[in-house]
Amino acid sequence: SQQGEEDPQALSIQEGENATMNCSYKTSINNLQWYRQNSGRGLVHLILIRSNEREKHSGRLRVTLDTSKKSSSLLITASRAADTASYFCATADSGAGSYQLTFGKGTKLSVIP
Amino acid sequence: DTGVSQNPRHKITKRGQNVTFRCDPISEHNRLYWYRQTLGQGPEFLTYFQNEAQLEKSRLLSDRFSAERPKGSFSTLEIQRTEQGDSAMYLCASSLEWGAGAEAFFGQGTRLTVV
Repeated sequence: SQQGEEDPQALSIQEGENATMNCSYKTSINNLQWYRQNSGRGLVHLILIRSNEREKHSGRLRVTLDTSKKSSSLLITASRAADTASYFCATADSGAGSYQLTFGKGTKLSVIP
Repeated sequence: DTGVSQNPRHKITKRGQNVTFRCDPISEHNRLYWYRQTLGQGPEFLTYFQNEAQLEKSRLLSDRFSAERPKGSFSTLEIQRTEQGDSAMYLCASSLEWGAGAEAFFGQGTRLTVV
């Protein structure tokens, strides 16, 4: 089963604008990760934020985590056409004996040149 | 190329046939995962290996599915008596560690179409 939901399901912006995607989840987590998937391809890891962290930056990416609300956001600044892809959040549960990453359904981002 | 490699990239099979997919993880990674992804959905966990030991299996993995990782290197995922509902992208990933939450490296996937 899938852990949570990304919001929005689809997002279309102009090149140069910022894109914000949100993720909600249901259980206690060890960490939350964001992945990108180009059409028909495998997933590429973008950034990981641990449960005791609130914000993390990597290049044009900014991730926030609010464990009290069980939510995270991914901000892509100064978007480029090459950022067009689906973005997934994935959680690593803090429960003992579970090794899986649980993915949401993704946000499909289209950046228009 | 030292990334995760999956073969074949595409497989079309008739309903009722058996299929086998192969995954070669990054060589120093001891952890290997299989996921299934259908159109418009996120990947769903199937099974996990630490070295050669299969430590976790999803209830999605019915009796028709079996996965192996002999010698803790490459892994195979076999689906017996395929059904149309098995049509999906099958993704393999590997990582060095878990718990601390190291990133998972994914292969390009094997797209299965059951006709």
